[in-house]
Amino acid sequence: DGGITQSPKYLFRKEGQNVTLSCEQNLNHDAMYWYRQDPGQGLRLIYYSQIVNDFQKGDIAEGYSVSREKKESFPLTVTSAQKNPTAFYLCASSIVGPREGQPQHFGDGTRLSIL
Amino acid sequence: AQSVTQLDSQVPVFEEAPVELRCNYSSSVSVYLFWYVQYPNQGLQLLLKYLSGSTLVKGINGFEAEFKKSETSFHLTKPSAHMSDAAEYFCVVSLTGFQKLVFGTGTRLLVSP
Repeated sequence: DGGITQSPKYLFRKEGQNVTLSCEQNLNHDAMYWYRQDPGQGLRLIYYSQIVNDFQKGDIAEGYSVSREKKESFPLTVTSAQKNPTAFYLCASSIVGPREGQPQHFGDGTRLSIL
Repeated sequence: AQSVTQLDSQVPVFEEAPVELRCNYSSSVSVYLFWYVQYPNQGLQLLLKYLSGSTLVKGINGFEAEFKKSETSFHLTKPSAHMSDAAEYFCVVSLTGFQKLVFGTGTRLLVSP
């Protein structure tokens, strides 16, 4: 079955450490997204990419970095500059044009906690 | 700027009672509207979407929503709640011609027997 796989499901970070969250999709979607979810705040966009080797900052990109070397992969690195990284991270993907209003498909998330 | 307001953080209902989850949005341009559902520790699943055409949209699991442009609302309804409907529901707006989504803060539906 096609879908989005996020790993690991749970991740712990020590102070000053960078960690990388994996996101892989086999839906052949061009666009991929990373969101952060905090209780009572809905989802906020961290980064998105509409094509390989290109990505754009979202609303809360500070302290995060991404790469898009392959169409099916969009890893997110939470750097030590992100002072409050504890959250639930969701990866999504979607078709890009010509039909507008394409819904995004989500993975099952990674829960990141600070040790 | 676009925004989405979900007026209720929690909505308690009894099993088999009707459900209404409220959503209002603000935008000066045309938008697409979505409802997503999230079960605990899982990702989001699309319930339904409004792109154009009929303003009454039917989705999965017996849910439907009506787009009311004059009221800038897109409320989600279901005639009879099931225990399995207990989850968090997000109203989402997307600008036409752009893939970025704007999420509401979510409404937790609590279903009691």
